Formats: sequence, structure tokens, C-alpha cells
Amino acid sequence: AQTIHQWPVAEIKAVGSPLSLGCTIKGKSSPNLYWYWQATGGTLQQLFYSITVGQVESVVQLNLSASRPKDDQFILSTEKLLLSHSGFYLCAWSLHINQDTQYFGPGTRLLVL
Amino acid sequence: QQKVQQSPESLIVPEGGMASLNCTFSDRNSQYFWWYRQHSGEGPKALMSIFSNGDKKEGRFTAHLNKASLHVSLHIKDSQPSDSALYFCAVSGNSNNRIFFGDGTQLVVKP
Repeated sequence: AQTIHQWPVAEIKAVGSPLSLGCTIKGKSSPNLYWYWQATGGTLQQLFYSITVGQVESVVQLNLSASRPKDDQFILSTEKLLLSHSGFYLCAWSLHINQDTQYFGPGTRLLVL
Repeated sequence: QQKVQQSPESLIVPEGGMASLNCTFSDRNSQYFWWYRQHSGEGPKALMSIFSNGDKKEGRFTAHLNKASLHVSLHIKDSQPSDSALYFCAVSGNSNNRIFFGDGTQLVVKP
């Protein structure tokens, strides 16, 4: 069975500080991977997707970047956090890119002060 | 750009009642549709998918798709307090080849 793990579970960070969030998928080779952002009680905004190692596509510009250093790992980062970065970050995977059921991780809650 | 709108924003139904959630989309090229459910503090989980016009039933849940009307709906029969959650409609297979989520419907099932 596939499992998806996100770290950390939650973060409180200062404006202007760097950030790195991680996601690992186990039990599925060559998954399509996604990062989503969700404001509290809000919709899911797709940020990035990746079809393969080293290849990441940006969907929206939010002063964030993503990388896929390994087949089973997806990293979301920024050099300088903004207040607007607060929210719930979700990693997901699917079999077919953007045309298949998405399986979400447990999420990372971020509060920027 | 695809627009996915859900109604109502929130819904309260009694335990054992029927909950009906609606979703409209704007891109006629859309091909794939899902309903996701998210309990507070958790990641969303796919409830069901529907790709063809008509009804699809899975247990207490029935999805209905009408591509000509740009409309998809979800009906939950015999609602349970555990069904209380945020429900999202998701649409893809459109011109952008992206997946778009609606703003969600907050369902509360009162015991």
C-alpha cells in the first residue's frame, strides 16, 4: 500500500525567514507529485506538479519554489516567508498527471508571524 | 481559465437526512470529475469519481454528471454525523490540462 508522509506537521516562522517542507511517497514508483496550498477552510490551490525526478512545473507564482531530488521526494521551499504564506500545505500523488484521483498527505500547517 | 463553483457554501442536515451538494464548471472540454471530502485538520480524501453523464452510486453516495449543463452534484443519503466535513468538487481534462477545485461546501450533520 502507498503511504505519503509530510514533514514537519506544523511550523511557526517569522516573516523573512526561510522555509523547507518535505513530502515522501512510499510504495509507488515514479508517482506524479503535487503541492497544494489551502487557506483555513478554503479551496485547494495547486502550486506545483512534477512528473519525474528533477522536473517541476509551476502553476502559480507565490514566491515559492519546489524541487524533486528523488523519485519519492518532493520539497517546497522559499528563502523569505511572507505573511500570506500562512496556511495548510498539502502534498499529493496520482497515477496520471492532472487526470487521475489525487491522494493527499496529512498536510503541514504553517503560521507566519 | 476554468471556474469551478460550489453551492451551497454551507449545509446543515439532520442525521438520517439527504444532503445535496452542487458544482458548476465553465470549460466544456472538461472530462474528469471528482468529489473529495476533508475532515478538519486532515488532508482531503477522494470520495468518488464520475467521468460519464448520468448517475454513479457508491453506497450512500450518488454522483450525477450533466456535461451539457456544466453541472455535477453529490447526494448523500442517510447522512451521518461522521459525514460532517468540507466537500470539494474537482474538475480536470480541460483545455489547461490542470485540475481545479471548487471553494467547497461545509456540511454539518446534526444528531
